[in-house]
Amino acid sequence: KQEVTQIPAALSVPEGENLVLNCSFTDSAIYNLQWFRQDPGKGLTSLLLIQSSQREQTSGRLNASLDKSSGRSTLYIAASQPGDSATYLCAVSVMNSGYSTLTFGKGTMLLVSP
Amino acid sequence: DAGITQSPRYKITETGRQVTLMCHQTWSHSYMFWYRQDLGHGLRLIYYSAAADITDKGEVPDGYVVSRSKTENFPLTLESATRSQTSVYFCASALSETYEQYFGPGTRLTVT
Repeated sequence: KQEVTQIPAALSVPEGENLVLNCSFTDSAIYNLQWFRQDPGKGLTSLLLIQSSQREQTSGRLNASLDKSSGRSTLYIAASQPGDSATYLCAVSVMNSGYSTLTFGKGTMLLVSP
Repeated sequence: DAGITQSPRYKITETGRQVTLMCHQTWSHSYMFWYRQDLGHGLRLIYYSAAADITDKGEVPDGYVVSRSKTENFPLTLESATRSQTSVYFCASALSETYEQYFGPGTRLTVT
């Protein structure tokens, strides 16, 4: 059974700092990996999707990397801002009874202070 | 409105009652999913659907029923609600199984 772990569970940084969130998964047979952001009391917003054949994806100040063989992904946030404060979730797409479904980590809660 | 919507956004019900959570998407995505989110467990898949009239169980399907007669709708029914089903429920959709999943705003369900 696929397991996804996110470290750290919580992170507090001052504004302007560059930071890295980590995600690891136990089974390398994935279709893709997706990073989400969740604000308190809200739904999930997709940030980046990396297909299994890709090594990284970039969107603005965000850069996500994928090392499928070692079962790891990182989300790099450059020049953090208070508006980046949220919970960040990593999810991997795995085969389940003939269909692909997402398995989620428990998230990293990020607080960026002014 | 375009996108994926859920209703109701908040629901309080009593143990033993039947309750249906609605999910509607306007993108004509083939795939739809129901998740529940609980402290300590994260997001767990309840049911998913690859197309109209095709559904399958996820990780935690017990006590839930789904149907998908139309591509755009994917209701989730709790046949006899229990306190352990108190949770936040999210619906999601995707164009195909290897594409991004887009999530609705969630339904906060409390079973008393």
